[in-house]
Amino acid sequence: QQQVKQSPQSLIVQKGGISIINCAYENTAFDYFPWYQQFPGKGPALLIAIRPDVSEKKEGRFTISFNKSAKQFSLHIMDSQPGDSATYFCAASSGGTGANNLFFGTGTRLTVIP
Amino acid sequence: GAGVSQSPSNKVTEKGKDVELRCDPISGHTALYWYRQSLGQGLEFLIYFQGNSAPDKSGLPSDRFSAERTGGSVSTLTIQRTQQEDSAVYLCASSLARRSAQYFGPGTRLTVL
Repeated sequence: QQQVKQSPQSLIVQKGGISIINCAYENTAFDYFPWYQQFPGKGPALLIAIRPDVSEKKEGRFTISFNKSAKQFSLHIMDSQPGDSATYFCAASSGGTGANNLFFGTGTRLTVIP
Repeated sequence: GAGVSQSPSNKVTEKGKDVELRCDPISGHTALYWYRQSLGQGLEFLIYFQGNSAPDKSGLPSDRFSAERTGGSVSTLTIQRTQQEDSAVYLCASSLARRSAQYFGPGTRLTVL
C-alpha cells in the first residue's frame, strides 16, 4: 500500500518554465513533508521540507505548497533549468514516539529541455 | 563537514553468499536509517537506529537481514544467503535527532547473480 502517491511519473519542461509535481497522502499523523532530488548514481539529496503549520515554503526557485485539508502537497520549480533534470521524490513521516522513517512517493523524472 | 558515506559503492555477489554493507553517518548524528531502493518497490524503509539501539526493525524483509551500530556511529547491514530479489541500491541516512532532516549517503548497489 503506497502511503504517499506522486504524480506525474515523468515531466518534460522547457527551460525557463515552471515544473509542478504533486503528492497526496492519507495518514493524518504525517507531520513532516520533505522533497528529495536524486541524480543518477547518487543518493537522494534533501531539497526543501515543510511542516503542516504553514501552507507554503519557498527557498530560491523551489516552493512547496501544502493543503492540509486536501492532504496534498506539491513542489514548484520556477525558471526550470537543464541542471534541474533529475528524479524528484516527495516523502512524509510522522513524529510521535516512532522511528520517524520516511515514506516515499514513487518519484517523478523531470527533464528540462534547453 | 563530510556527508554520509557508504561502502562499497558496488557489490556483486553470488546467490547464497553473505554480504556486509557499511554506513558512516554524519558526525554527531544520533539517528541512522537504512532504506532500500529498487525498481519494483521504490524507496522503502528497512531499519532505524537511535544511538546503538534499533527500536524499529519493522522494514527488514526477512530474517536474513540484520544490522548493527557500534559506538553510536558506524552501522553495518548484513544480508545472509543472498537471493536475486535482494538486488537493489541500499541507502543509509542519518539525522541529528529522531525528528530532524535525514541526509542520505550515495548508496551501495548490490547485484546478486
